[in-house]
Amino acid sequence: DQQVKQNSPSLSVQEGRISILNCDYTNSMFDYFLWYKKYPAEGPTFLISISSIKDKNEDGRFTVFLNKSAKHLSLHIVPSQPGDSAVYFCAAGKGGSNYKLTFGKGTLLTVNP
Amino acid sequence: GAGVSQSPSNKVTEKGKDVELRCDPISGHTALYWYRQSLGQGLEFLIYFQGNSAPDKSGLPSDRFSAERTGGSVSTLTIQRTQQEDSAVYLCASSSRAGLNTEAFFGQGTRLTVV
Repeated sequence: DQQVKQNSPSLSVQEGRISILNCDYTNSMFDYFLWYKKYPAEGPTFLISISSIKDKNEDGRFTVFLNKSAKHLSLHIVPSQPGDSAVYFCAAGKGGSNYKLTFGKGTLLTVNP
Repeated sequence: GAGVSQSPSNKVTEKGKDVELRCDPISGHTALYWYRQSLGQGLEFLIYFQGNSAPDKSGLPSDRFSAERTGGSVSTLTIQRTQQEDSAVYLCASSSRAGLNTEAFFGQGTRLTVV
């Protein structure tokens, strides 16, 4: 029973364009959401987060949007750069927990020069 | 060290054997987390240590799994009588405050293969 779903296993975009990575969740108790980036042979690194009291959080080229009614969040990267090529994981926590997270399976983003 | 260090980086073991996976967190970090990633899956929470508090072990999949953290620093994850379904990358992270966000850092993981 997957509570956090990333339905696109891969995404390919051109350098300079927007990358949009999507994530859906089923558990309405989730109130904290995070995105991680993972390069091969490295551990995941935290990218950006959003709590359920907000619908948008922006950090430089990265913006996360949260649609609670649709139980959907997305990560926008603008403009995309070749160095952004990595696997992106969506994760969710509940009850204010930001240590016991439920992760999606990840989306491999490839940014072509 | 500069980052979270895990050893070994790769481990192949026979079914039924016990294995120990080690995590050296960043010095001074009070919070330590173990997750694992099975092939084609997302990361799965295993256990969380925070300071001197009792660990949250709710993610350990069976009683064959145990973990300890000695002296508030190094942590060891032990899997007894390994099974093929235990094959995964085991990831450790640490942070100075609770939370897998800005201040948390993951190690490179231990890839465990049970044959």
